[in-house]
Amino acid sequence: DAGVTQSPTHLIKTRGQHVTLRCSPISGHKSVSWYQQVLGQGPQFIFQYYEKEERGRGNFPDRFSARQFPNYSSELNVNALLLGDSALYLCASSSGGWETQYFGPGTRLLVL
Amino acid sequence: GIQVEQSPPDLILQEGANSTLRCNFSDSVNNLQWFHQNPWGQLINLFYIPSGTKQNGRLSATTVATERYSLLYISSSQTTDSGVYFCAVELPTDSWGKLQFGAGTQVVVTP
Repeated sequence: DAGVTQSPTHLIKTRGQHVTLRCSPISGHKSVSWYQQVLGQGPQFIFQYYEKEERGRGNFPDRFSARQFPNYSSELNVNALLLGDSALYLCASSSGGWETQYFGPGTRLLVL
Repeated sequence: GIQVEQSPPDLILQEGANSTLRCNFSDSVNNLQWFHQNPWGQLINLFYIPSGTKQNGRLSATTVATERYSLLYISSSQTTDSGVYFCAVELPTDSWGKLQFGAGTQVVVTP
């Protein structure tokens, strides 16, 4: 079975632009979580979605939004990009959210 | 909020050596996971270990929940063990799966 997939793998944007990152969970998993990892730090929780409903949100500004589709894939949107948004964005999936979470390869976003 | 502290921050090992990584957490947790992040950024699950001891090949982990710490043991290290090791915990108030990560231990295994 395929693991968690994310697209694109790399992305370069300029300040003020908007970006959409995509994630497909492991087949059968209904929960998707998003994390931001800045260089040299551990991942920080952004959102979790379960059965298309937002179940939790981390301490991120409203410029960050997400949604989950009927097939359980998910999008993370970031508006009005800032230089500080440059990071590795990781998606994780699990059956219900509270069990072992499996991470995708991430999307590296560079904001210039 | 909860503090998740990992030590040491950096570790250099010669191939074949053994090592212990530690994760301390400041509050009761529902769950604890250990991950290995390879040089390409992929986070790989090592253990889901809210309590007790587990072993997987050359790796083993022990969590003593009552004393709020977990240990990851690497035996007979190999160069492929290089990378960053993270522990991540889940608070009882976030039992739906929000993970809080430590800052990681950077491990370099030299030939």
